[in-house]
Amino acid sequence: RKEVEQDPGPFNVPEGATVAFNCTYSNSASQSFFWYRQDCRKEPKLLMSVYSSGNEDGRFTAQLNRASQYISLLIRDSKLSDSATYLCVVTPTAAAGNKLTFGGGTRVLVKP
Amino acid sequence: DAGITQSPRYKITETGRQVTLMCHQTWSHSYMFWYRQDLGHGLRLIYYSAAADITDKGEVPDGYVVSRSKTENFPLTLESATRSQTSVYFCASRPLGGGAGEQYFGPGTRLTVT
Repeated sequence: RKEVEQDPGPFNVPEGATVAFNCTYSNSASQSFFWYRQDCRKEPKLLMSVYSSGNEDGRFTAQLNRASQYISLLIRDSKLSDSATYLCVVTPTAAAGNKLTFGGGTRVLVKP
Repeated sequence: DAGITQSPRYKITETGRQVTLMCHQTWSHSYMFWYRQDLGHGLRLIYYSAAADITDKGEVPDGYVVSRSKTENFPLTLESATRSQTSVYFCASRPLGGGAGEQYFGPGTRLTVT
């Protein structure tokens, strides 16, 4: 089983709609969680951190469920520019420090 | 503000040759990282460095060598390239006081080993 798993998609989303997807992690001792965005043939960029209490940044909402070991990302009012691959990222343990573990990504396609 | 750059951006080499991928950052970030990205595996950490002259292995270090004599540079060398090392390589950096997930990536190097 992979440490971090994501549905690869693609999630085809009408412009203006809401889309949500999850990421599961296998190590219950995982410490920190993040969502990165990667455009086609580009480098990953940090989208947002995921806090225990959940957090929101504009149209993006991230949630953490430690009991079920998953994080989620919800995008409201989808824009064409939201089309990208969203990478779930986990810091396995406090001892792992800088060693991030990436999921394979969920591809989102927003269509007019 | 150049940020983090990688060179070359594209490279084709033959099996058995030595290849060095360069990474340079202008932010004076303490931490630097090398990842490879392959279909079906996502991004995997090859090596990382906490400061000049301090490096450590990541998930997939075999076949790679790194050095960090200066804070701003973190070259990755494939000592004897193999076809399985065909991949997209990303360098990343993060500041000392930044969060663990706050990494800034370079544009990547697409390496093909024939």
